[in-house]
Amino acid sequence: GAGVSQSPSNKVTEKGKDVELRCDPISGHTALYWYRQSLGQGLEFLIYFQGNSAPDKSGLPSDRFSAERTGGSVSTLTIQRTQQEDSAVYLCASSPTGGTEAFFGQGTRLTVV
Amino acid sequence: TQLLEQSPQFLSIQEGENLTVYCNSSSVFSSLQWYRQEPGEGPVLLVTVVTGGEVKKLKRLTFQFGDARKDSSLHITAAQPGDTGLYLCAGILTGNQFYFGTGTSLTVIP
Repeated sequence: GAGVSQSPSNKVTEKGKDVELRCDPISGHTALYWYRQSLGQGLEFLIYFQGNSAPDKSGLPSDRFSAERTGGSVSTLTIQRTQQEDSAVYLCASSPTGGTEAFFGQGTRLTVV
Repeated sequence: TQLLEQSPQFLSIQEGENLTVYCNSSSVFSSLQWYRQEPGEGPVLLVTVVTGGEVKKLKRLTFQFGDARKDSSLHITAAQPGDTGLYLCAGILTGNQFYFGTGTSLTVIP
């Protein structure tokens, strides 16, 4: 595709349910990043994938959060047993190689009720 | 704690005024970027600065990288309503990880 695609664009879930957020990066981009953004705030780093290397998971806030990237392309961020504090916009970005321009998707707005 | 602190956090100005946004850290970055984000969209890259002391101009926007590569500033001359948005700096350390700043929300009033 022409850009980074994220789905769903909006997700409302009940507290305690699991959710999966999907990211389709730009074809050929080796680096993929997940960030979390609270309303009008900066971006909180979650996880970084680079090629076939082990991902940098240092930003994941708890063991309820996990992510995988299959075949070096599509990535899924999973949040188990969601809590109200998980409500935020989750942004995915890809980059041709790590540390160059980051191209962002439009994000998934997650609301936990 | 955030690696990059931006100031001010919020800024509301009249059309035609000038403004400066600051991005500060105690870490040294290999390069630094500025992004602008509009509501409902992801951030979009404005500029990358690499060399300490570097100054780049993009129309009415002037970006400067500090001599020690720990800080940066964004100056907008004669702000327009179209400049409204969230401005984010992002520093790149070794390992190619982007570290984003706390953000500056700019509103330009017509």
